[in-house]
Amino acid sequence: ETGVTQSPTHLIKTRGQQVTLRCSSQSGHNTVSWYQQALGQGPQFIFQYYREEENGRGNFPPRFSGLQFPNYSSELNVNALELDDSALYLCASSLNLAGGLEQFFGPGTRLTVL
Amino acid sequence: ILNVEQSPQSLHVQEGDSTNFTCSFPSSNFYALHWYRWETAKSPEALFVMTLNGDEKKKGRISATLNTKEGYSYLYIKGSQPEDSATYLCAFDYGNNRLAFGKGNQVVVIP
Repeated sequence: ETGVTQSPTHLIKTRGQQVTLRCSSQSGHNTVSWYQQALGQGPQFIFQYYREEENGRGNFPPRFSGLQFPNYSSELNVNALELDDSALYLCASSLNLAGGLEQFFGPGTRLTVL
Repeated sequence: ILNVEQSPQSLHVQEGDSTNFTCSFPSSNFYALHWYRWETAKSPEALFVMTLNGDEKKKGRISATLNTKEGYSYLYIKGSQPEDSATYLCAFDYGNNRLAFGKGNQVVVIP
């Protein structure tokens, strides 16, 4: 297993609620990316944080937001949950932004929206 | 939209047989091509990061090739074993380590 951890492992929410998912990056890594994997799809890029600043965003609405802390751990927040937000959320850390670096993934958080 | 296609989507392989599958990706804005091995309830595990056209990489019985000019990569498993059963994901790095993934190749090795 990688040194990337995510919490919680799974959770259930209802439509309209808000959720916060957490990711602890591998030691020494300053870049964290978040991905959403819906059923039957490959992971989709949500956004990336580099040294506490958002550095790029995929095709996700503003109700998906994030934070990166001084220790480079990260949070993904989703407001006004919709049924389609049900998915596995993965975070990945890398040493920095340089292309071609290995990314280390956590095991994911399974979110179910009822 | 970055289109990354993997084929076949799923395959069953007899133990001991060799197999291969394909990942196709955009031939522009290429930074790297990643292959991951993902077992259920575990983290995706990095197999290869490939950056140069013509790259060939090997890890044990698994190897991969890269053609950036035509936009494809092959992953080979030689002498499949039950522990090779997993989903193999390829991901196109389009800059700053942002990845566009395919849907994966789900492999089941039959003892």
